[in-house]
Amino acid sequence: AQKVTQAQTEISVVEKEDVTLDCVYETRDTTYYLFWYKQPPSGELVFLIRRNSFDEQNEISGRYSWNFQKSTSSFNFTITASQVVDSAVYFCALSEWGAAGNKLTFGGGTRVLVKP
Amino acid sequence: DVKVTQSSRYLVKRTGEKVFLECVQDMDHENMFWYRQDPGLGLRLIYFSYDVKMKEKGDIPEGYSVSREKKERFSLILESASTNQTSMYLCASSLAGQRYEQYFGPGTRLTVT
Repeated sequence: AQKVTQAQTEISVVEKEDVTLDCVYETRDTTYYLFWYKQPPSGELVFLIRRNSFDEQNEISGRYSWNFQKSTSSFNFTITASQVVDSAVYFCALSEWGAAGNKLTFGGGTRVLVKP
Repeated sequence: DVKVTQSSRYLVKRTGEKVFLECVQDMDHENMFWYRQDPGLGLRLIYFSYDVKMKEKGDIPEGYSVSREKKERFSLILESASTNQTSMYLCASSLAGQRYEQYFGPGTRLTVT
């Protein structure tokens, strides 16, 4: 069975500090996708980034960057120069391909609090 | 703009009542999902549907059923609500395919007293 672990339950930083969120996953699939979602206080989850298992190139998109390491089954996410609007719960998720469609397994989430 | 809507943001029901949670998406997505979210447990999949009238159990289907009569609508049914079903319920939809992200509705916070 697939599993996603986010060991950090809560992180508190001061505005402009960088924040790195850890995600470790387990899967027997050879092809899979990893996702990061953001859940602001309003409650609606918003898709942030996606990475497939066969491309380990790390990327940067604006203030977001991610570090995918297949050897350690980790998919860490960094917010550079954090802002108060980044305060939210962040979820890492792993896709599972089955005969009946694509399901996601979510980690427990990490609450990020950015103080002004 | 992509849109998933849920019938209620807040709902209070009594133990033993039959409860319907409705979800509608306007993106012509094949897949639809129902999750519940509890503190510290992340999102747990209750049921999902990959086509009209097709459904599959997720990780925690006990006490729930679903209905998908039309492609855009996916309903979650609590046949006899219990206090341990007090939770945040999230609906999502996606295109078919492993690479596609899911789009989420705003959630329904259900309280069973």
